[in-house]
Amino acid sequence: SAVISQKPSRDICQRGTSLTIQCQVDSQVTMMFWYRQQPGQSLTLIATANQGSEATYESGFVIDKFPISRPNLTFSTLTVSNMSPEDSSIYLCSVNTRTSTDTQYFGPGTRLTVL
Amino acid sequence: GESVGLHLPTLSVQEGDNSIINCAYSNSASDYFIWYKQESGKGPQFIIDIRSNMDKRQGQRVTVLLNKTVKHLSLQIAATQPGDSAVYFCAESFGTGFQKLVFGTGTRLLVSP
Repeated sequence: SAVISQKPSRDICQRGTSLTIQCQVDSQVTMMFWYRQQPGQSLTLIATANQGSEATYESGFVIDKFPISRPNLTFSTLTVSNMSPEDSSIYLCSVNTRTSTDTQYFGPGTRLTVL
Repeated sequence: GESVGLHLPTLSVQEGDNSIINCAYSNSASDYFIWYKQESGKGPQFIIDIRSNMDKRQGQRVTVLLNKTVKHLSLQIAATQPGDSAVYFCAESFGTGFQKLVFGTGTRLLVSP
């Protein structure tokens, strides 16, 4: 597996502002993913973060709202733009490793509350 | 702190009992399945996985059963302990290597001492 950290662990933000969430892995990984988990719900994939190219977004998620960067094989960021209370969720990053190409390992999550 | 799974189906068991958590998956073409455990305030933790060419796989105190005919997956936990209390999610994917996961709705397991 891999050790994954996220910053911040939680935040309370005002509507209309943006927040950038960081995901750091302790080893080089192949794929990185960003998920949203709304209160009391399951996980929904936002996008796949590709190193050196644009992220691949799932239906219902757009780059203008959730811009993603992946400058190298150990780091990615997700920005939640122009936030509204409906964006209050847990945001999770996950990774595939070179030796575990199907299994995804998750970070601890970022708990976002938008007022 | 914020809790996950406030509105999820709940399974309540006594410590020492065996627990069975069920999951119906959606895609008949899915060929890889994972069970995750999510404790309050934490990210999902990998428990066990199974591929579609198997119908059973065992780990430490856990067993996953796969019934492809009815698209059903179950997680059995032997001698359930209070530390097993969490929300459990199944996830499915199709194809090999770096495929996206689709998660089920989750089940909250409550273990009473």
